[in-house]
Amino acid sequence: GAVVSQHPSRVICKSGTSVKIECRSLDFQATTMFWYRQFPKQSLMLMATSNEGSKATYEQGVEKDKFLINHASLTLSTLTVTSAHPEDSSFYICSAGASLAGKNEQFFGPGTRLTVL
Amino acid sequence: AQSVTQLGSHVSVSEGALVLLRCNYSSSVPPYLFWYVQYPNQGLQLLLKYTSAATLVKGINGFEAEFKKSETSFHLTKPSAHMSDAAEYFCAVSDSGSARQLTFGSGTQLTVLP
Repeated sequence: GAVVSQHPSRVICKSGTSVKIECRSLDFQATTMFWYRQFPKQSLMLMATSNEGSKATYEQGVEKDKFLINHASLTLSTLTVTSAHPEDSSFYICSAGASLAGKNEQFFGPGTRLTVL
Repeated sequence: AQSVTQLGSHVSVSEGALVLLRCNYSSSVPPYLFWYVQYPNQGLQLLLKYTSAATLVKGINGFEAEFKKSETSFHLTKPSAHMSDAAEYFCAVSDSGSARQLTFGSGTQLTVLP
């Protein structure tokens, strides 16, 4: 149990276009989802925390108008990179927070590799 | 504020040798500590976590870590390295047991030599 999927696994787009990344909790409900960005050879940096039915909370330095987050249901959160530029190329990872078997934990998706040409 | 420092961005060990990955934390409240493993182009997999119970925590794949408050450390060890252990390892800290907001260290790339 506790599987998180991301789609697509990799995407290549032209500069100026928008890209949507989906994050789904497959077998549990997640009231909170997190979006991270990971540059090559670097650690994960939290971009935003997404709560179902409310606006996402963005970390300092992350442009909310550029990285649109929608958490429409307890099993789906989406990240849209608007007007993508080459510097947005990165590995984007989502995670879902859940309470399972009395334990609270964060479960990570497999990540999405975004390349902006 | 919380932070995590992983000493050594790259660690190489021979197959069968001891694995030791270092992690020191800073936290103003009792911390919850985690070790994650990441294989190339994949997400993170939880290896083990410390949540204020036993200070010696056993995880998956033969890994374990010991919480030492006096040293503010949570080093990851494995008695005998296997080729399949080669990956990136991240230490993380949270101020809540729910793992709701994690602060990650910079990561340690483990190479296992034949």
